[in-house]
Amino acid sequence: EVQLVESGGGLVQPGGSLRLSCAASGFTFSSYWMHWVRQAPGKGLVWVSRIKTDGSTTDYADSVKGRFTISRDNAKNTLYLQMNSLRVEDTAVYYCARGDVPLDYYFDSWGQGTLVTVSS
Amino acid sequence: DIVMTQSPDSLAVSLGERATINCKSSQSLLYSSNNKNYLAWYHQKPGQPPKLLIYWASTRESGVPDRFSGSGSGTDFTLTISSLQAEDVAVYYCQQYYTTPPYTFGQGTKLEI
Repeated sequence: EVQLVESGGGLVQPGGSLRLSCAASGFTFSSYWMHWVRQAPGKGLVWVSRIKTDGSTTDYADSVKGRFTISRDNAKNTLYLQMNSLRVEDTAVYYCARGDVPLDYYFDSWGQGTLVTVSS
Repeated sequence: DIVMTQSPDSLAVSLGERATINCKSSQSLLYSSNNKNYLAWYHQKPGQPPKLLIYWASTRESGVPDRFSGSGSGTDFTLTISSLQAEDVAVYYCQQYYTTPPYTFGQGTKLEI
């Protein structure tokens, strides 16, 4: 069974940093593009970032470019999102999601999410 | 970026009745070389993460009940639930993957009984 378990969320002040993790199991992690998608309270889904199978390619939404860094450790089956210079508008539940194979077009598995609250 | 617009924003349907949700893209999602529409549908039940229902506009994900169907082409798409069940109460989202990144979602349609 595919499992994605996020952790690392919490309350942080504006300008602060946080590192999210997503532990994957039940599939060959290194064969899949992985993504972060966020959802502000009561709002819709917004794609944040993606990383290629081997970590060689990363992409970001304009709203987080230069502040967030996605990475992965295929030996540990873990996806990360380093979030710096956090803003109030980054407050959201952050989901990790698996891209479909072979073409990474849609998201076929999602974690339960971890809540990030940016507030003073 | 491709903008996805869903209608209506919310919808109330009786048990056993048909529910229809629309999704419109700001540009065509039909790729002429393979005649496929690059659109997916998800639903998100209260307190849960999203779940993939349909991809390629009309292909049901494994395990999704056949009362869910997707149709449409180009810029206009529809998700239909043929006979609404209580467990179908959720927010429904469409997502385009014709031009990525970014992957863009519709704003969501809240389906209630």
